[in-house]
Amino acid sequence: NAGVTQTPKFRVLKTGQSMTLLCAQDMNHEYMYWYRQDPGMGLRLIHYSVGEGTTAKGEVPDGYNVSRLKKQNFLLGLESAAPSQTSVYFCASSYSGTSGAYEQYFGPGTRLTVT
Amino acid sequence: RKEVEQDPGPFNVPEGATVAFNCTYSNSASQSFFWYRQDCRKEPKLLMSVYSSGNEDGRFTAQLNRASQYISLLIRDSKLSDSATYLCVVNGWGNQGGKLIFGQGTELSVKP
Repeated sequence: NAGVTQTPKFRVLKTGQSMTLLCAQDMNHEYMYWYRQDPGMGLRLIHYSVGEGTTAKGEVPDGYNVSRLKKQNFLLGLESAAPSQTSVYFCASSYSGTSGAYEQYFGPGTRLTVT
Repeated sequence: RKEVEQDPGPFNVPEGATVAFNCTYSNSASQSFFWYRQDCRKEPKLLMSVYSSGNEDGRFTAQLNRASQYISLLIRDSKLSDSATYLCVVNGWGNQGGKLIFGQGTELSVKP
């Protein structure tokens, strides 16, 4: 099993450009998540999905869109990149449950710089 | 008040030392508690779940105090390889979608 993979690993964008980050998991997990991590801020949830075809906003959704067309993939889009979106982006997935939460498995991250 | 707060660190300890990390959380309805480990520039990985009765995994012991909304992690006989950032993690509001709330992390540096 590859677990959770992310592409690309690194990217530099100019302000106003767009891009899509791809996350894929081969563990048949229902839940998937996108986080950003900034120095001194910890991990913050951008968007998440509880199943194929569904998405929901997290803590910091502005400036991002997501899609979950297939269960194994979760895409994060930046329509018009801004320097404030310079960050490390992590994708994660987990099993689903009726209460509480389960271990989340993380991808290796994408380091994005917006100039 | 932050939803999950941790000791800011960094903690610098010699090999063989015992070190304890503390964490408090604000949501009294939280049901799931974890400690994750994150190495420099890498993804977070689960270190251990935290159970109400407390639990131990080798040199690592986790404790939960629901009344005080407090979680701790004790590392005994520190190794150089324990150097990392330790994240206190609690499930998010409403148990919807398995969301987790991450603390900012406490950095540990174990020196020879």
